Amino acid sequence: AQSVTQLGSHVSVSEGALVLLRCNYSSSVPPYLFWYVQYPNQGLQLLLKYTSAATLVKGINGFEAEFKKSETSFHLTKPSAHMSDAAEYFCAVSDGAGNNRKLIWGLGTSLAVNP
Amino acid sequence: DAGITQSPRHKVTETGTPVTLRCHQTENHRYMYWYRQDPGHGLRLIHYSYGVKDTDKGEVSDGYSVSRSKTEDFLLTLESATSSQTSVYFCAIGGGFGYTFGSGTRLTVV
Repeated sequence: AQSVTQLGSHVSVSEGALVLLRCNYSSSVPPYLFWYVQYPNQGLQLLLKYTSAATLVKGINGFEAEFKKSETSFHLTKPSAHMSDAAEYFCAVSDGAGNNRKLIWGLGTSLAVNP
Repeated sequence: DAGITQSPRHKVTETGTPVTLRCHQTENHRYMYWYRQDPGHGLRLIHYSYGVKDTDKGEVSDGYSVSRSKTEDFLLTLESATSSQTSVYFCAIGGGFGYTFGSGTRLTVV
C-alpha cells in the first residue's frame, strides 16, 4: 500500500532563503508523485507532478522537486522564498495513472515566510 | 481551472439537522471525491464515486452519505450534523494523473 510522510508540519524561512519541504513515500509499484499548494481559504492547486519521465520536475511559481528512487523521496525546493509562498503544501502519491487510482496524501507542511 | 463548483461556500447549522453539500463539475469526469480537512489531520477521504450511482466509502464515512444521480453532481449529506463534523469540505475530480479541487465549503455545526 502507498503512504506519504511529510517531515515537519511547520517550516519557517526568511524571505530570499531556500525553501525545502520534505516528502518521503512508500509504494510497491512505480509511483506518480504530486505536490499541491493551498493558500488561505482556498482549495488545493497542483504545483507539479512526477509521472515517470524526468526525475527533476519543474512546477509553477519557481518550485521544483526531484524524484529519488533510492531514497524514496520527492522533496520540494525553491531557491528564494517570497512572501507570497506562505501556504500549506501537500505531497501525494498514486500507484498508477489510471482513472481508478486514488491519491494518498501527506498531512501537509505549513510554510511561513518571514520578512 | 477545471469547472468544479461547491455550494454553499459557508454554512452554519444546528446539531441534529440534516445538511447537504453539493459538488458540480463540468468536466464530465467519472471519478469524484469528498474530503474533509481538519488541522493536524490533513485531507481525509469521506466517500468517492466512480460513476453514476456508483459510490464507495472512504476512511471517515461514518455519519455521511452521498449520492450521484448525474455525472456532474455529487452530493454529500450529513444525516444528523454533530459538532465533530465542523470542518472544511472539499470536492475533487481526477485519478492517477492528479486531482482538481473545488474551493471548499466551510461548515460549522453549533
